Amino acid sequence: EVQLVESGGGLVKPGGSLRLSCAASGFTFSSYSMNWVRQAPGKGLEWVSSISSSSSYIYYADSVKGRFTISRDNAKNSLYLQMNSLRAEDTAVYYCARDSTTGTLDYWGQGTLVTVSS
Amino acid sequence: DIQMTQSPSTLSASVGDRVTITCRASQSISSWLAWYQQKPGKAPKLLIYKASSLESGVPSRFSGSGSGTEFTLTISSLQPDDFATYYCQQYNSYSFLTFGGGTKVEIK
Repeated sequence: EVQLVESGGGLVKPGGSLRLSCAASGFTFSSYSMNWVRQAPGKGLEWVSSISSSSSYIYYADSVKGRFTISRDNAKNSLYLQMNSLRAEDTAVYYCARDSTTGTLDYWGQGTLVTVSS
Repeated sequence: DIQMTQSPSTLSASVGDRVTITCRASQSISSWLAWYQQKPGKAPKLLIYKASSLESGVPSRFSGSGSGTEFTLTISSLQPDDFATYYCQQYNSYSFLTFGGGTKVEIK
């Protein structure tokens, strides 16, 4: 069974940093691209970043470019999101999601809440 | 960047109704469109990919159609479990995925 479990969320002050993790199991992690998608309270879905299976290709939404860094460790079946210079508008539930072979997001974690507030 | 616009933003319907949600892309995305269902407090669930292909395990009352810039998600006979928010997503531009704003299907 495919499982994605996020961790690392919490309360952080504006300008602070946080590192999210996503532990994957039930599939060959090193064969799939992965994504981070976020959802602000009461709002819609916003794609944040993606990383290819071997980390050769990395993409970011304009809203986080230069502040967030996506990475992965295929030996540990883990995906990461390093978030720096956090702003109030980064407050959201952050989901990790697997990129299926069709290019869509076929498995999602349960999400981890990041709150940026003083 | 490709923008995705969904309509309506809210839809009130009854069990058994036929429901249609529209998604428009700001430029052609061929058939590179997916639909997701999200219930409160839960992660989104993939329903449809490549505009009209049903994800494994998804009931056949869900169907998708369209290509280019205009797409629809249809629920042929709304069931109690279908009251949720639905999102479209383009993946034509692989370096920048975009979601629509969502359509909340409410009980009438």
